[in-house]
Amino acid sequence: GNSVTQMEGPVTLSEEAFLTINCTYTATGYPSLFWYVQYPGEGLQLLLKATKADDKGSNKGFEATYRKETTSFHLEKGSVQVSDSAVYFCALSNSGGYQKVTFGTGTKLQVIP
Amino acid sequence: DVKVTQSSRYLVKRTGEKVFLECVQDMDHENMFWYRQDPGLGLRLIYFSYDVKMKEKGDIPEGYSVSREKKERFSLILESASTNQTSMYLCASSTDGFYQPQHFGDGTRLSIL
Repeated sequence: GNSVTQMEGPVTLSEEAFLTINCTYTATGYPSLFWYVQYPGEGLQLLLKATKADDKGSNKGFEATYRKETTSFHLEKGSVQVSDSAVYFCALSNSGGYQKVTFGTGTKLQVIP
Repeated sequence: DVKVTQSSRYLVKRTGEKVFLECVQDMDHENMFWYRQDPGLGLRLIYFSYDVKMKEKGDIPEGYSVSREKKERFSLILESASTNQTSMYLCASSTDGFYQPQHFGDGTRLSIL
């Protein structure tokens, strides 16, 4: 079955540091890949997505590239801000109609001034 | 902006009670979802609905039922609450053709005593 593995958190960074949150997956076929973000006290929001190999999803300065050869979808940002402190979830779903989304367990990011 | 509103942020109920969690979205989305979120387990799908009066079981439907009488409202029902249903419950929605949740509510933290 499908599964998503994220790096353990929490990740603590200073403001303006470079961020990488690792995500690898196991899936049949060619899944779509997603990153969601959950700010403190709020529900999740879809941050970015990629639907095929070598696609790069981007939003709000965050990027992730769909790497089929390494089954990875790592989240990156060049310069984090305190406002980026949140929990980040990697997820996948198979393509074609409704397909269940499989979520990772989440990685908490804390950015300190 | 899409708004997904869950009726309660915090709820405390007793074992054996019938519990209703309400969710309303204001963007005429076809698809609605109920998840529960538990530490170390990520998000798990309970039920989803792709149209009024239509529903599909997710990964963990046991002990739950749902109701979708109107397009904007999706209710989760705990038929006879048990302590292992203490959790954070998240409602989500997405537009037609987008089968993954796009917008989440802020969640209901439910405690069963």
